[in-house]
Amino acid sequence: AQSVTQPDIHITVSEGASLELRCNYSYGATPYLFWYVQSPGQGLQLLLKYFSGDTLVQGIKGFEAEFKRSQSSFNLRKPSVHWSDAAEYFCAVAADNYGQNFVFGPGTRLSVLP
Amino acid sequence: DTAVSQTPKYLVTQMGNDKSIKCEQNLGHDTMYWYKQDSKKFLKIMFSYNNKELIINETVPNRFSPKSPDKAHLNLHINSLELGDSAVYFCASSPLKGKASYEQYFGPGTRLTVT
Repeated sequence: AQSVTQPDIHITVSEGASLELRCNYSYGATPYLFWYVQSPGQGLQLLLKYFSGDTLVQGIKGFEAEFKRSQSSFNLRKPSVHWSDAAEYFCAVAADNYGQNFVFGPGTRLSVLP
Repeated sequence: DTAVSQTPKYLVTQMGNDKSIKCEQNLGHDTMYWYKQDSKKFLKIMFSYNNKELIINETVPNRFSPKSPDKAHLNLHINSLELGDSAVYFCASSPLKGKASYEQYFGPGTRLTVT
């Protein structure tokens, strides 16, 4: 069965520092991969997605992610974190050929120090 | 111009009651979903539905049932509520073109508390 792991439950960084959130997946076929962000009390917003092609994908809010098939990873990065980036981040993989079933990782909570 | 909306935002009820959560999307999407987010923020898909097919997560109790009056709406009915049903429920929608998966758009969530 498909699965997604996010090894870091909680990460704290200082404002202006760089950020990398880790995501590993288990899926037999070519994966469709996603990163979502959930601000407190809000729904989920798509940051970026990978379907195929260039393994480095750019998203909104200055985020990017790199797909590494050899490592089954899809890590999220941002060069300089802003206080407003404090939120919960979820990695997800589309779990069937029709992409209708998403499997989400457990999430990583990001705290930003002033 | 809310894309995916849910009502109510908060729902407090007693064990044994029956309740419904409504979801509407104005994006013209073909597929809608319901997710449950537990207290540890873990998100789990409950249903996905388009006008042809309902896919049910096999772990979802049959007390939960989706109802779709039309393509833009997917309501969630819950019978005989239990304490463990307390969670945040998210509705989402996505376009479905061929066999490709596109991003899902989420509603703001409904926080259900069962006492």
